[in-house]
Amino acid sequence: ILNVEQSPQSLHVQEGDSTNFTCSFPSSNFYALHWYRWETAKSPEALFVMTLNGDEKKKGRISATLNTKEGYSYLYIKGSQPEDSATYLCALSSGATNKLIFGTGTLLAVQP
Amino acid sequence: NAGVTQTPKFQVLKTGQSMTLQCAQDMNHNSMYWYRQDPGMGLRLIYYSASEGTTDKGEVPNGYNVSRLNKREFSLRLESAAPSQTSVYFCASSKLSPRQGVSNQPQHFGDGTRLSIL
Repeated sequence: ILNVEQSPQSLHVQEGDSTNFTCSFPSSNFYALHWYRWETAKSPEALFVMTLNGDEKKKGRISATLNTKEGYSYLYIKGSQPEDSATYLCALSSGATNKLIFGTGTLLAVQP
Repeated sequence: NAGVTQTPKFQVLKTGQSMTLQCAQDMNHNSMYWYRQDPGMGLRLIYYSASEGTTDKGEVPNGYNVSRLNKREFSLRLESAAPSQTSVYFCASSKLSPRQGVSNQPQHFGDGTRLSIL
């Protein structure tokens, strides 16, 4: 069974701080790495899907990088805002059917 | 545009009762998925349907059945509910990848069904 690990489990930062989280995964049989943002009482929303080693993607103040050879991805948030407070999930796709294996998430709390 | 709609939002069952969770998407997606989410664990795949007419087991299929009724709808059935199936259930859908061997489509999630089994 493939294992996707995220760290840290939770993070508390002050408004304006920049922060980053890690997603680790087995580097064999890699198809894609997904990042999702999950606010309390809502459903997960896709941030990025990355497929190539060295991929970097950006959406506003949030960016992500991918290293498939060593099996990790970083998610960065620049200048955190209270509305960034959410759980950030990464998920590994190891097949063309797009089945995902999720990590347990990093819970980010941004205090004003 | 509703996206992925799940019904019901909440349900309480007694052990041994049966029920069907409904999921429908209006994005013309080919693939649909059912997950469960439990405290301290990531979303775990129960069953999925890569395309209309096909269904396959995911990571935790025991105690569940699914039906891909048509391209829009994918239902999850608990034939004899057990307390271990108390969970929040999420349905998701995605487009097919543009070419074989590539899996690069994000999944779109419903709002979840909170199910308690006493």
